[in-house]
Amino acid sequence: GAGVSQTPSNKVTEKGKYVELRCDPISGHTALYWYRQSLGQGPEFLIYFQGTGAADDSGLPNDRFFAVRPEGSVSTLKIQRTERGDSAVYLCASTPGQGYDTQYFGPGTRLTVL
Amino acid sequence: GDSVTQMEGPVTLSEEAFLTINCTYTATGYPSLFWYVQYPGEGLQLLLKATKADDKGSNKGFEATYRKETTSFHLEKGSVQVSDSAVYFCALSASGGSYIPTFGRGTSLIVHP
Repeated sequence: GAGVSQTPSNKVTEKGKYVELRCDPISGHTALYWYRQSLGQGPEFLIYFQGTGAADDSGLPNDRFFAVRPEGSVSTLKIQRTERGDSAVYLCASTPGQGYDTQYFGPGTRLTVL
Repeated sequence: GDSVTQMEGPVTLSEEAFLTINCTYTATGYPSLFWYVQYPGEGLQLLLKATKADDKGSNKGFEATYRKETTSFHLEKGSVQVSDSAVYFCALSASGGSYIPTFGRGTSLIVHP
């Protein structure tokens, strides 16, 4: 079946602009995770959804970052007033539900803030 | 907090050479340990995992053994191929709850024909 998909694959924006990044998890997966991966680093956790609710948002760096998952499937990561330091690859992963330890990753969205 | 330390890359090998990528971890309790691989242009995918001490994970000729006494989970392969060129990430996650993993910074492997 289809894997995790993310759109767009690349996003270039200017400092101060607002961006939305989309994640479409594997069908039926109730748990969804967002990560940020800077150059030369491993993925860093941002937020975890179980169904429609954010079960853990402790990794969001500040209040410019926000994510939603209104119907328990597709999720959108929203970044307000982008800064050059936000440039990174944003990864999404899903699992069948709570208690599954193996994550299924999408290909990521490369965000560049000029 | 939990952390994972991997050897720095890139690791450059000739085809059929032996591979070791070192990984050590710091965690409370008894985490599960993972190796994920990221091929060029693709997302991370699970390569192998081990959920308790002395377990050996294996897949595609790769192996790693969960060593609690040395807090290590080194990745090995006896004979690498050009197609193994990728970035390898060691990770851990605490058992129970949300299983949010902690990743190492990744080790790039380049295999030459």
